[in-house]
Amino acid sequence: AQKITQTQPGMFVQEKEAVTLDCTYDTSDPSYGLFWYKQPSSGEMIFLIYQGSYDQQNATEGRYSLNFQKARKSANLVISASQLGDSAMYFCAMREGHLKPLVFGKGTRLSVIA
Amino acid sequence: DAGVIQSPRHEVTEMGQEVTLRCKPISGHNSLFWYRQTMMRGLELLIYFNNNVPIDDSGMPEDRFSAKMPNASFSTLKIQPSEPRDSAVYFCASRAGQGETQYFGPGTRLLVL
Repeated sequence: AQKITQTQPGMFVQEKEAVTLDCTYDTSDPSYGLFWYKQPSSGEMIFLIYQGSYDQQNATEGRYSLNFQKARKSANLVISASQLGDSAMYFCAMREGHLKPLVFGKGTRLSVIA
Repeated sequence: DAGVIQSPRHEVTEMGQEVTLRCKPISGHNSLFWYRQTMMRGLELLIYFNNNVPIDDSGMPEDRFSAKMPNASFSTLKIQPSEPRDSAVYFCASRAGQGETQYFGPGTRLLVL
């Protein structure tokens, strides 16, 4: 069974609008971490934001916020005020426990339209 | 601070040749990960090390793949002999400790003809 599911292969958003990228996860470990990475066309993997399973508040980093709904096992990324430079692939990932490596979803390609 | 360093950035080789990919993790990081990215399979973990010791190599496709970490500042991923289906982007990532964020290198784009 897939541990990370990203159901949106591609998304379009108008510049300056907000967009939500969906991510659901599956784990029985009570301690886990959720991550989002951005991969622009140049290919590098850029860390964006992290949410721990015990964190009470949703994580925020500048224009990025993570909508963490633990009961629904979802960790959606919200990008506010989209910019043309936000066009990229976005990957959701999970780490179970504290030692294991990240497991990634298939990604969502976001295109920002002027 | 320097990030994760990978070399070469691009490699084109012929089927049957040996390929060696190199990685220098961020100084002070004690975990190192090798991932492979393809269109069909996405990002897959190949192997990871904690304190230079291989912990899980279940993602290594077959015996043609091997990885070493002789010290805290260097790791190699070797493919011998290489095959066209090995064509992919190979990422190295490192992490400072338990529960910390993984930081990725720029990747090596491998093409096996």
